[in-house]
Amino acid sequence: QLQLQESGPGLVKPSETLSLTCTVSGGSISSSGYYWSWIRQPPGKGLEYIGSIYYSGSAYYNPSLKSRVTISVPTSKNQFSLRLSSVTAADTAVYYCARRRDGYNPSDYWGQGTLVTVSS
Amino acid sequence: EIVLTQSPGTLSLSPGERATLSCRASQSVSSNYLAWYQQKPGQAPRLLIYGASSRATGIPDRFSGSGSGTDFTLTISRLEPEDFAVYYCQQYGNSITFGQGTRLEIK
Repeated sequence: QLQLQESGPGLVKPSETLSLTCTVSGGSISSSGYYWSWIRQPPGKGLEYIGSIYYSGSAYYNPSLKSRVTISVPTSKNQFSLRLSSVTAADTAVYYCARRRDGYNPSDYWGQGTLVTVSS
Repeated sequence: EIVLTQSPGTLSLSPGERATLSCRASQSVSSNYLAWYQQKPGQAPRLLIYGASSRATGIPDRFSGSGSGTDFTLTISRLEPEDFAVYYCQQYGNSITFGQGTRLEIK
């Protein structure tokens, strides 16, 4: 059974960079045919797509966040990561990692989510 | 960007009743690449429907999706107590965007 688990600091200061990691178990992130995604949800609000990466490193980002976002796949680990720079209070949210099949497909496996608060 | 508008914002029904949730897109959703998710408090979203009308693995047949172009519907034929949650539509044919959600609450 595929499982995803987010990890990283729960508190980030304004103007700094938010960094999160998603650890995948029960499957290989290097398997072809899957995109690995980040999605966020501000407290009490709806879902916002951040971006996705293919195991080869090809990434796609939400245009509204593109200038601040980097999604990467570290080598030799079954993980992928998110970096969001110049954060403000508006970036406070639960951050989810998820998997979707290649092509036009929705996310079918999700992590449980991790709350990141931006505050001084 | 395709904007998805869900209605109603909140739907109050009783167990055993039929629920009809709407999702309208600001432009046509290519190839009906429209999904529905269920989210309960403190949990990640759960995929229910993809391709506008196909049920995801393990989803009970009381959940059904329909529609095409810009108008889509999620129907829950007979509400069970565990169905009361927030439901989101998502289009994945032109980047990825979500609706703002419909809260289904017990009347």
